[in-house]
Order: sequence, then C-alpha cells, then structure tokens
Amino acid sequence: GENVEQHPSTLSVQEGDSAVIKCTYSDSASNYFPWYKQELGKGPQLIIDIRSNVGEKKDQRIAVTLNKTAKHFSLHITETQPEDSAVYFCAASIYGGGADGLTFGKGTHLIIQP
Amino acid sequence: SAVISQKPSRDICQRGTSLTIQCQVDSQVTMMFWYRQQPGQSLTLIATANQGSEATYESGFVIDKFPISRPNLTFSTLTVSNMSPEDSSIYLCSVDQREQFFGPGTRLTVL
Repeated sequence: GENVEQHPSTLSVQEGDSAVIKCTYSDSASNYFPWYKQELGKGPQLIIDIRSNVGEKKDQRIAVTLNKTAKHFSLHITETQPEDSAVYFCAASIYGGGADGLTFGKGTHLIIQP
Repeated sequence: SAVISQKPSRDICQRGTSLTIQCQVDSQVTMMFWYRQQPGQSLTLIATANQGSEATYESGFVIDKFPISRPNLTFSTLTVSNMSPEDSSIYLCSVDQREQFFGPGTRLTVL
C-alpha cells in the first residue's frame, strides 16, 4: 500500500518568513495530493491540493509543487502569520477526489514566532 | 464544500462498553470515510462506507470491532465496540465532493 513520509515534524519560523514542508510517497499510481491544516480541537481543513497532471498550484500565500518523477510534493507558505500556526498534514490517494481514502503523512507542527 | 457534523463531540466511556458516533452531511454524497487519529498522531483510514453496501475495512480494522452503517446518502454511524483504553482517539468522518472534507471529530476517552 501507499506510504507517505513527511518532514520536518516540527518547523519554527519567524513571522513574515517562508515555511516549506516536504512529503514523499511510495505508490507511483497516486494521483491526488491534498494538504490539510489542523488546529487544536478541530478537524482537518483542506487548504490546497494538486493533481498529477499539474506541477504547481498557488492560492494567495500558499503554493504546492509536485514532482511525479521523484515522487515528492511540497507545501510553501510565504509571509507567514501567527494564524498559520497549526499542524499540517500531507496526504495521497490513487483515484483522487475522494473516490478512495487518503494516506496521510505524520504531520508537521508549524510554529510562527512573533 | 459540504458541512459535516458529528455527534457526540466528545465522550468518556468505561472499558467494555460501546459507543456509536453519528456523522451527518448537509448534501448527498456517494462515499463517506471513517478515520482514527490517536493522540498526537496522524490520521488512519478505518473504512469506506457506501450507501447500500457493506463498508470496506482497511488492514487492521474489523467489522466486529468497528461496525458501520450507511442508511442513506447523508448519514453514517461508526460504533466502537467493547472499548479498551487503546481505543482512546479522535474519530473523524469525511466525505468526497471531488475533494475530501472532514467533520470536526469525536474525541473518545476510554477509562
């Protein structure tokens, strides 16, 4: 089955700086790669996703890049703000769009230092 | 995106008992999923629930321990049976609408 590795487990950055979280996956059949933000006591919130036919996607301060050959994808957050502090999870699935369940990475605790 | 609610939001239960968690969606969806998130850990898929058919369980999860119902396209339940302290987790349902959205979770503590 699919295996998703996520790094780093904890990331501390100064407010206004950029943050990068990286994930690798094992199953070359995976085609859908979402990122979730989870705040304390809440369910995961989808923040951005990318499909295998696209190499990069951007939404305001958030961007995701995908390298299918190397089987890795990354989340980039620019101009970080205190409200970006949370746990971020990457995930992968084969069929995409919820037709199958997601395999998650172990999560990155992002800390934004004021 | 779909609005998903879960009941209860949290519960404290005694070992050996069972708890049924409800998941309600504000629109009809084909597939619903149940995940477990152990304390400080990532999410692990328990099973996929389609309306009108038996749930499909992932490796390590069995129907006797986690029976699931899916009576219609907006509702599902997950029962955690014969609970032990190791079942203490957050249980989350999710739905597909081209992307996968999650409910707020049910925080279960087993004493």
